[in-house]
Amino acid sequence: NAGVTQTPKFRVLKTGQSMTLLCAQDMNHEYMYWYRQDPGMGLRLIHYSVGEGTTAKGEVPDGYNVSRLKKQNFLLGLESAAPSQTSVYFCASSSRLAESTDTQYFGPGTRLTVL
Amino acid sequence: GQNIDQPTEMTATEGAIVQINCTYQTSGFNGLFWYQQHAGEAPTFLSYNVLDGLEEKGRFSSFLSRSKGYSYLLLKELQMKDSASYLCAVRGGLNSGGYQKVTFGTGTKLQVIP
Repeated sequence: NAGVTQTPKFRVLKTGQSMTLLCAQDMNHEYMYWYRQDPGMGLRLIHYSVGEGTTAKGEVPDGYNVSRLKKQNFLLGLESAAPSQTSVYFCASSSRLAESTDTQYFGPGTRLTVL
Repeated sequence: GQNIDQPTEMTATEGAIVQINCTYQTSGFNGLFWYQQHAGEAPTFLSYNVLDGLEEKGRFSSFLSRSKGYSYLLLKELQMKDSASYLCAVRGGLNSGGYQKVTFGTGTKLQVIP
């Protein structure tokens, strides 16, 4: 099992460009999440999904959109990148069957720089 | 809402014991997690507490007091590889779809020195 994978690992964008970050998990998890991590800010939830075809806003959703067309994939889109979106982005997934723990499994991260 | 506090940095000596504290104020509580994150890597799960008391797992132990809104992570027999950030995260409250939100603290960067 690969666990949670993210594509790409690194990306540099110019202000105003768009891009999509792809997250894939092979653990058949119902829940998936997108976080950003900035120095001194910790992990902040951008959007999450409780199942295929459903998404919801997290703590910092502005400037991002997401889609969950397939259970194993969760896409994060930046329509018009801004320097404030320079960050490390982590995808995570967890199993609804393990609701007593809801342990999240994280992908390796995507390091995004917006110039 | 959720508010989680933990020290920003700590330093400890190889072979020693270190305790990393976490305090929280939440609108609902249904469990506390500790994650380890090495520099440049993803967080990995260490422990989960939902009831008061101490949970021991090898060199790592985690304690929870729900009445005090307090937890700590205890690392024994420190090794150089334990140098990492340790994230406290609280699960609580109900959002749409039955999902219970998990809020992460900013993390404690632990440096283990020889």
